[in-house]
Amino acid sequence: DAGVTQSPTHLIKTRGQQVTLRCSPKSGHDTVSWYQQALGQGPQFIFQYYEEEERQRGNFPDRFSGHQFPNYSSELNVNALLLGDSALYLCASSLAGLNTGELFFGEGSRLTVL
Amino acid sequence: SQQGEEDPQALSIQEGENATMNCSYKTSINNLQWYRQNSGRGLVHLILIRSNEREKHSGRLRVTLDTSKKSSSLLITASRAADTASYFCATARLSAQFYFGTGTSLTVIP
Repeated sequence: DAGVTQSPTHLIKTRGQQVTLRCSPKSGHDTVSWYQQALGQGPQFIFQYYEEEERQRGNFPDRFSGHQFPNYSSELNVNALLLGDSALYLCASSLAGLNTGELFFGEGSRLTVL
Repeated sequence: SQQGEEDPQALSIQEGENATMNCSYKTSINNLQWYRQNSGRGLVHLILIRSNEREKHSGRLRVTLDTSKKSSSLLITASRAADTASYFCATARLSAQFYFGTGTSLTVIP
């Protein structure tokens, strides 16, 4: 049973560039959430996708956008990168309608902005 | 903000001792969860306690929840070196968005 997979694991970009991060949810899961974790901090909610729509969004600017595909996989796009966007980006999958609330996380994509 | 706050920020104990970490939050919740993160890696779900529960056990883990004080505690008994990690509490009012604290960094010395 495949868990949550994310790619790439590490990447380096320069200010102003754009980045796309990818996530495949755990088998059987239909909901994907994205979190940003700065060094020494807890994860912060970016947004959640369900049925190919953004269902809820955290306090992040429009430079952060996403997409969910029919196979439930998801992408996170960040435009006009800033130094402060350097962080570990975590994807978490879950099953909508199942009120356990448990999230299954991938290993993350470590983004460094120079 | 609904964000949970863990206490202490860092904890260092000897192998075999018990480790206790606390979490406080600010608003009403549906459930509270504890997650573990090994250095720079993904988070792993440990245990979930619902707002109408007061205590829950899972193996060497014991979680308590006091909704009147808006606080929770995680006890790890008979700690092992492999328990060294950061531990986060996460609160959920609606299941779509989870609020994580800043974590407790636990070091278990062999």
